[in-house]
Amino acid sequence: AQSVTQLGSHVSVSEGALVLLRCNYSSSVPPYLFWYVQYPNQGLQLLLKYTSAATLVKGINGFEAEFKKSETSFHLTKPSAHMSDAAEYFCAVSEQSGNEKLTFGTGTRLTIIP
Amino acid sequence: DAMVIQNPRYQVTQFGKPVTLSCSQTLNHNVMYWYQQKSSQAPKLLFHYYDKDFNNEADTPDNFQSRRPNTSFCFLDIRSPGLGDAAMYLCATSRGGGHQETQYFGPGTRLLVL
Repeated sequence: AQSVTQLGSHVSVSEGALVLLRCNYSSSVPPYLFWYVQYPNQGLQLLLKYTSAATLVKGINGFEAEFKKSETSFHLTKPSAHMSDAAEYFCAVSEQSGNEKLTFGTGTRLTIIP
Repeated sequence: DAMVIQNPRYQVTQFGKPVTLSCSQTLNHNVMYWYQQKSSQAPKLLFHYYDKDFNNEADTPDNFQSRRPNTSFCFLDIRSPGLGDAAMYLCATSRGGGHQETQYFGPGTRLLVL
């Protein structure tokens, strides 16, 4: 089965600093990978996804992620953090066979320091 | 705006008293999912419908049931809620066009069991 690992359950960055949230995947075939954001007491919202087109994927709110097959990684970055970026971020992988399901990582809580 | 709606946003029930959570969508998507998300954890898929085809996850307790009477609505029934069932329940939909499809989430229903 495919899986994702998010390193760092909590990340704190200063406002205006670089945001880097790490995600590594495990898959025997090229996966589809997703980043979702969850604000308190809300559902999940798609930030961006990798579907085997371009390896550098740009998403909403200034976020982007790069698919690196050699490193089995799909890290999320944003050049300059904003206070409104404070949220929980989930990396997810879509299974290539069977039903269309997402398997989520354990999440990274991002805190922005003023 | 097309969206996924969950009612109620907060639900309080008593130990052992059946409860039903509802989800509706205006996206006309083929697939509807139910996730359970406990505090500071990743969403865990309980089951999903592809049109009328029901797909139960192997580790979903029998206490959890679901109904999808039509394309727009899907219900989550918890027959005898226990204290361990207190969680956020998320409904999501997707078009069903393949493993690269985005899932669209509702705001969730937070269930409290007394």
